[in-house]
Amino acid sequence: EAQVTQNPRYLITVTGKKLTVTCSQNMNHEYMSWYRQDPGLGLRQIYYSMNVEVTDKGDVPEGYKVSRKEKRNFPLILESPSPNQTSLYFCASSRSDTQYFGPGTRLTVL
Amino acid sequence: GDSVTQMEGPVTLSEEAFLTINCTYTATGYPSLFWYVQYPGEGLQLLLKATKADDKGSNKGFEATYRKETTSFHLEKGSVQVSDSAVYFCALSDEGTYKYIFGTGTRLKVLA
Repeated sequence: EAQVTQNPRYLITVTGKKLTVTCSQNMNHEYMSWYRQDPGLGLRQIYYSMNVEVTDKGDVPEGYKVSRKEKRNFPLILESPSPNQTSLYFCASSRSDTQYFGPGTRLTVL
Repeated sequence: GDSVTQMEGPVTLSEEAFLTINCTYTATGYPSLFWYVQYPGEGLQLLLKATKADDKGSNKGFEATYRKETTSFHLEKGSVQVSDSAVYFCALSDEGTYKYIFGTGTRLKVLA
C-alpha cells in the first residue's frame, strides 16, 4: 500500500531534550516536506526537500533541522525543543504537485 | 508574499444543503490551487486541484473553479452528507517552486 508513515504518533517531552520524528514514504517520490498545524494558523511549511541531499527552508524553519540522506526518509530533528514547538506535525511527499500526507505526530513540549 | 485566505468556520449545515467555502489568494506568479480535506484524526487528502485559470477541479461531488480575475477558488457541493464533515483547506503552490501556502482551514459540520 502506498503510504507515508511517521513515528512516533504521539510524543510528550521536556524542554531541551533532543528528539527526532521520522518520516518514510514507499512511493519513490522525490519531493518531501514537513508542516506544523496549529489552531487558527492552518498548516505552515517548515522544510522541504526536492531530492536526496537537497533541502530548503519553508516559512517557519527556526528551531528545526532536517536531513535527506535517502530518497524514502526525511526525519525532522528538534535539537532543543521548546514549549512553542508543541504542535501537530505532518510529513508529506509528492512526485508532481499532489501531496500525500502522513497521519501526523502530536508533540507536546513541557 | 503569497497568501491564502479562506472563510472562518465552523460551517454547520443540514444534510442535502448546498455548500460554499470561500477561498481567495494572492500570488506573484501563476500558482496551482488545491483543496485538501482532513477527516478527524487523519492527515490531509487531496480533494481537487486546478493548475490554470478557468480550470475546474472536481471530485466526489465537490467542485472549484480557478478564477484569475477575482483570485478565487471557492469550493462548492450541491448536496452535502454527514460523511462530508471535516476540515477543508485551500492551498496554493507557486509555479516552478515546491513551496506550499495553506489557508487556516474551515471546519464543516453536517447534521442529519
